[in-house]
Amino acid sequence: KAGVTQTPRYLIKTRGQQVTLSCSPISGHRSVSWYQQTPGQGLQFLFEYFSETQRNKGNFPGRFSGRQFSNSRSEMNVSTLELGDSALYLCASSFTYKGQGWTQYFGPGTRLLVL
Amino acid sequence: DQQVKQNSPSLSVQEGRISILNCDYTNSMFDYFLWYKKYPAEGPTFLISISSIKDKNEDGRFTVFLNKSAKHLSLHIVPSQPGDSAVYFCAASPIEGAQKLVFGQGTRLTINP
Repeated sequence: KAGVTQTPRYLIKTRGQQVTLSCSPISGHRSVSWYQQTPGQGLQFLFEYFSETQRNKGNFPGRFSGRQFSNSRSEMNVSTLELGDSALYLCASSFTYKGQGWTQYFGPGTRLLVL
Repeated sequence: DQQVKQNSPSLSVQEGRISILNCDYTNSMFDYFLWYKKYPAEGPTFLISISSIKDKNEDGRFTVFLNKSAKHLSLHIVPSQPGDSAVYFCAASPIEGAQKLVFGQGTRLTINP
């Protein structure tokens, strides 16, 4: 079974621009979560989508948004980029919890650099 | 407020010996805990998890111990191998299956030959 894929892997943008990142979950997984990893803050939860609906949200400004499509693929968008948005953005997918052994499966991430 | 803390940024262990990575949490609502390993330029890879109804879970060379009263968990790797050199993250959630994981800052483990 193919793993979680993320595109693009690397991205360079300038302040004020916007960016869209894409994530394809493992086949059959309906939940997609997004995390931001920075050296200072570690891995922080952005939001989670399930069946095209945002189900959970972290403490990030409204410039960070996302969506999920009917095939479970997800995109996240960051508008009006700031230098502090430079980070590794990780997508994770998971199956519906059915009793035990639940985990999230992570993609390789998209490295975003804002200049 | 750091709800999940890994107080050791780095750890160096000799090949073949035991590696012990520690994690503390402050939120008593956390009920399910996971350990992930991360290599550079890759996403975190799941290692092992434990529910609060247990105090120990084993999977091959990896064992996780949970002490709920102390709000402390640890990951033991025995024996340590060079391929174990990576950054290890512990994560917590209120219930198993809850999608919002809270991560620690990570511990960089280096296995020396």
